[in-house]
Amino acid sequence: GNSVTQMEGPVTLSEEAFLTINCTYTATGYPSLFWYVQYPGEGLQLLLKATKADDKGSNKGFEATYRKETTSFHLEKGSVQVSDSAVYFCALRFSRDDKIIFGKGTRLHILP
Amino acid sequence: EAGVVQSPRYKIIEKKQPVAFWCNPISGHNTLYWYLQNLGQGPELLIRYENEEAVDDSQLPKDRFSAERLKGVDSTLKIQPAELGDSAVYLCASSYSMNTEAFFGQGTRLTVV
Repeated sequence: GNSVTQMEGPVTLSEEAFLTINCTYTATGYPSLFWYVQYPGEGLQLLLKATKADDKGSNKGFEATYRKETTSFHLEKGSVQVSDSAVYFCALRFSRDDKIIFGKGTRLHILP
Repeated sequence: EAGVVQSPRYKIIEKKQPVAFWCNPISGHNTLYWYLQNLGQGPELLIRYENEEAVDDSQLPKDRFSAERLKGVDSTLKIQPAELGDSAVYLCASSYSMNTEAFFGQGTRLTVV
C-alpha cells in the first residue's frame, strides 16, 4: 500500500544549524508530496509541496525536492531559528482519491 | 478570514458515553475532511465530504462513529458509545474543492476515561 516514512524525533539543534528531516514514500503511481508543520497549540499548516518529479517546493527558507528515483522528499533548511520548533509531517496525496497520507511526524526543538 | 473552527477544543468523557464534535469549515469550501490523529502518529482520514455527500467513508468505523454535513456547511462527528481506544485528536479540514489546498482546524482532543 501507499505509505510515508520519516525520521523519528525529537530532533534537537542549535539556532543557525543546518536542518535535514528525511522522508521516503511508497506509492503506486505518481502522488503529490507535501510537508505540513504543526506549531504548538495550532492546527496543521501546509509548509510546501511538489507535484511531480524533480520539482522543488520552498517556503520560509525550507526546501524539499521530489526525488522519484529514490522515492524521497527530504526537508532542509540552511539556518534554523527557535521559531521553527514544531512538529513536521511529510505526506503524499493522489488526485484520484484526494486522500492525504501522512507520516508519523518529526518533532523539532531549536535551542537558542 | 476565519480559518476552520472546531469545538470543543478538549473533551473528557467516561467510556460508553456519547460524544460529538463540531466543525465549521472556511466559507465557500465545498470539501470537508475528518481526520483521526493518535498520539505520536500522523493524521488518518475518517471521512470526506463533497458538499453534503460523504464520498469516502471507507475508514469510518460505522458501528460506533457517524458523521453528517447538513446543508453542505458545518459538520458533526459523533461517537456512541465511546471506548478507551478512542482517545485521540480529531481534526477537521476543508478545501475549496477536491485536490486543492486543505486547511486544518486546531482539533478536538478527546480523552475517554
